[in-house]
Amino acid sequence: QKEVEQNSGPLSVPEGAIASLNCTYSDRGSQSFFWYRQYSGKSPELIMFIYSNGDKEDGRFTAQLNKASQYVSLLIRDSQPSDSATYLCASITGTASKLTFGTGTRLQVTL
Amino acid sequence: NAGVTQTPKFQVLKTGQSMTLQCAQDMNHNSMYWYRQDPGMGLRLIYYSASEGTTDKGEVPNGYNVSRLNKREFSLRLESAAPSQTSVYFCASSEIALAGGSSSSKNIQYFGAGTRLSVL
Repeated sequence: QKEVEQNSGPLSVPEGAIASLNCTYSDRGSQSFFWYRQYSGKSPELIMFIYSNGDKEDGRFTAQLNKASQYVSLLIRDSQPSDSATYLCASITGTASKLTFGTGTRLQVTL
Repeated sequence: NAGVTQTPKFQVLKTGQSMTLQCAQDMNHNSMYWYRQDPGMGLRLIYYSASEGTTDKGEVPNGYNVSRLNKREFSLRLESAAPSQTSVYFCASSEIALAGGSSSSKNIQYFGAGTRLSVL
């Protein structure tokens, strides 16, 4: 079992809808969680990070963390075609800054 | 401010050839990382360097060596390339290595554009 699990998708949502991307993790020692966006053929770029239980909002993006249930989610409001990409969830465990990545969820925003 | 720069962007090797992938960052970061990305496998850590002068193995280190040349540069070497090493390689850097304050934004990793390597 991978330490960080994501549904590979594709997740298809219509333009203007809310996209909900989910990630579960197995190590209860995981402390911080990161959402990266990766366009096809490009490198990952950070969207948000979260370390406290609850919600964290940044523009159209909201990250949610529930440590008791060991899941992290990313909500994208008012989805745009430009949001079509693969979204990578990653966690940090312990004292080192090594990131453990999930395999990513491919999001398609349709017109 | 270029961020993280990787060279080359593309490379084709024959089995058994050697090559070095170069990575440099201009953000004065302490920590640097090498990942490979394969379809369906996500990003997997090959080696990392928490600080200048130190290197440690990641999840998939076999067949690779690294050198932290100075604070800016971290190279990845394939001594005898194999078809299984065909992949996209990403270098990344972060301000700190130790999560003294795992909540710190200093843990954020910034990625280079990647090197697409094919081994025939």
